[in-house]
Parts: sequence; C-alpha cells; structure tokens
Amino acid sequence: SYELTQPLSVSVALGQTVRITCEGYNIGNKNVHWYQQKPGQAPVLVIYRDTNRPSGIPERFSGSNSGNTAALTISRAQAADEADYYCQLWDSGTGVFGGGTKLTVL
Amino acid sequence: EVQLVESGGGLVQPGGSLRLSCVASGFIFSNYSMNWVRQGPGKGLQWISYISRDSSAIYYTDSEKGRFTISRDNAKSSLYLQMNSLRDEDTAVYYCARGPPYSGYDRWGQGTLVIVSS
Repeated sequence: SYELTQPLSVSVALGQTVRITCEGYNIGNKNVHWYQQKPGQAPVLVIYRDTNRPSGIPERFSGSNSGNTAALTISRAQAADEADYYCQLWDSGTGVFGGGTKLTVL
Repeated sequence: EVQLVESGGGLVQPGGSLRLSCVASGFIFSNYSMNWVRQGPGKGLQWISYISRDSSAIYYTDSEKGRFTISRDNAKSSLYLQMNSLRDEDTAVYYCARGPPYSGYDRWGQGTLVIVSS
C-alpha cells in the first residue's frame, strides 16, 4: 500500500516562512491535498490538487508537488497557524493520509 | 450553510455493532461523493471508506473490508457506516467528509466518538 511520510514536528518563528513536506514514491504524479486541524476541531482543507486554495484560505498558504516530495508552505506565519497538518491523496482505490506534522509557531 | 452532522457513536463492547449516520444540509447531497475518516485518540487521520454519488462505486481501506459497510440515502441526504465485530482499536472519532477522490475533502462534520471497551 502507498505510504506518505511527514516530519512529526516543525517550528517557525512568528512572521517567518515554513515548509512542511510529504514524501511518497513518485508523489509528483498524484494529486495531493493538505488539511489543517486544530485541537478538538475537524480538519479543514487548505490546499487541494497540489497547488489550489479553497475559498477563504489565505494566500499565505501555498503548495507544490514534484518528484517524490509534496510540500505545504506557509508564509508570514501567524499564531493562528499553529496546528496539525496532514497531506492526503488517492491511490488505487484507497485514500491515504500522511502521519501528520505538528506546527509550532514560536 | 453547508453542514454535515454525524451521530450514532457511543460505548460498545468488543464484538458489538454500531451504525453511524451523517446528515447533510445546505447542498445537493446527491451531487457529491462522500467518505468516512476516523482519528484514534492522539493519533492521525485514517481514511476508512468512500461512496460515489449514486452508490455505484464503493471502496474500503483493506483493514476494514468485510467488517464495515458504507451506504447512503440521497432522498434523506444521509450517509451511513455500519460497523460490525468492533475491536478496541476501532475506538476513534469518526468523521464524514464530502469530496471526490482527486479533489480533497472540502467539508467535514464535527465527528462522532466511538469507544470500544468492555
């Protein structure tokens, strides 16, 4: 089965830029989505199909996908961005989530 | 306003069964494929099952094939998950999520908690 690997935790200084990676075999050939989840809340879609932002998601959130690595980049990080982030894709009739990355804003 | 509201969770003994429901409002339910996703305590998200708009295509994660059954009733704007032979490791918050396979899940319910314990 397809596997997605994310770093367990990442930290960023307030106002700086952070990149959260999601690694998988030839992931660049697949559509990757990203979700933000805050404690006690349901996940929220922040990037779909690699680079697209749903309405209401700030432009500070962007995505990329190439080769074996997809990434979510958050620019000008704010305290409100502190959350868990999950990558996700569809492969061979199965939904697959990465293990999640805890983002800490310092 | 788009809303997904899950129900049916609770405490169940190992080996027991539960039927989860998800009622949709604020959009044309029959136009969207749906999914169930769960999250164990302190753990990450796990996709469980998918059903297409007209129920013609259904998929399950390998570990739950044969135990869980997804279904929908478009006339009632409702999604269901029948869970049988429940195990301790099925303890989780179960979310319904709207969206086709290749476009991400753009709306989620608030989740319903299932606890499997004797």
